[in-house]
Amino acid sequence: DADVTQTPRNRITKTGKRIMLECSQTKGHDRMYWYRQDPGLGLRLIYYSFDVKDINKGEISDGYSVSRQAQAKFSLSLESAIPNQTALYFCATSDPGTRQNIQYFGAGTRLSVL
Amino acid sequence: AQSVTQPDIHITVSEGASLELRCNYSYGATPYLFWYVQSPGQGLQLLLKYFSGDTLVQGIKGFEAEFKRSQSSFNLRKPSVHWSDAAEYFCAVGENSGGSNYKLTFGKGTLLTVNP
Repeated sequence: DADVTQTPRNRITKTGKRIMLECSQTKGHDRMYWYRQDPGLGLRLIYYSFDVKDINKGEISDGYSVSRQAQAKFSLSLESAIPNQTALYFCATSDPGTRQNIQYFGAGTRLSVL
Repeated sequence: AQSVTQPDIHITVSEGASLELRCNYSYGATPYLFWYVQSPGQGLQLLLKYFSGDTLVQGIKGFEAEFKRSQSSFNLRKPSVHWSDAAEYFCAVGENSGGSNYKLTFGKGTLLTVNP
């Protein structure tokens, strides 16, 4: 089983719909991250969480919200999806016990907003 | 602010040829440096990392990278490319501040095509 699991793997939705992407991990890491990947733009950080009570905005948080339900679960929500949120979304985790902040990624969720 | 530049958007090589993917970074101190690979339909897998010490680091799948402080570079190399190496490669830089660093900044990626 994967250490960082994202569900769903693919999702098609319509403009204006609320959608939630889920991430769970078995690595025991405190830190979790959500990124989006767009062709030619690399990965950009949406939100990150250092623990259940510590959630922070990344560089492109507008239009997104997150919930850290437990150490192992970190969900990303699009309250009212719009077409330019069509992208590949990645969840990642890291262990704060290592200063180097090596991040481990899930397989991604491909989201299309029509 | 830290930044990463991968000058080559797309590179095509023949199977068996050597490979070098370029990465330049901007950061005030000695950074943490990473190369990740994304195979089609897959997540990002860590290839190798540089934290300190020997500037030539070895990674998985026969890849290596060399940290050159004077050139602010961390280029990825492989002496003989295999068809399975076709993927997108991302260079990333992390803060080496000694504090609760969290931020990885990624380059825009280099897509590698391998011809038979």
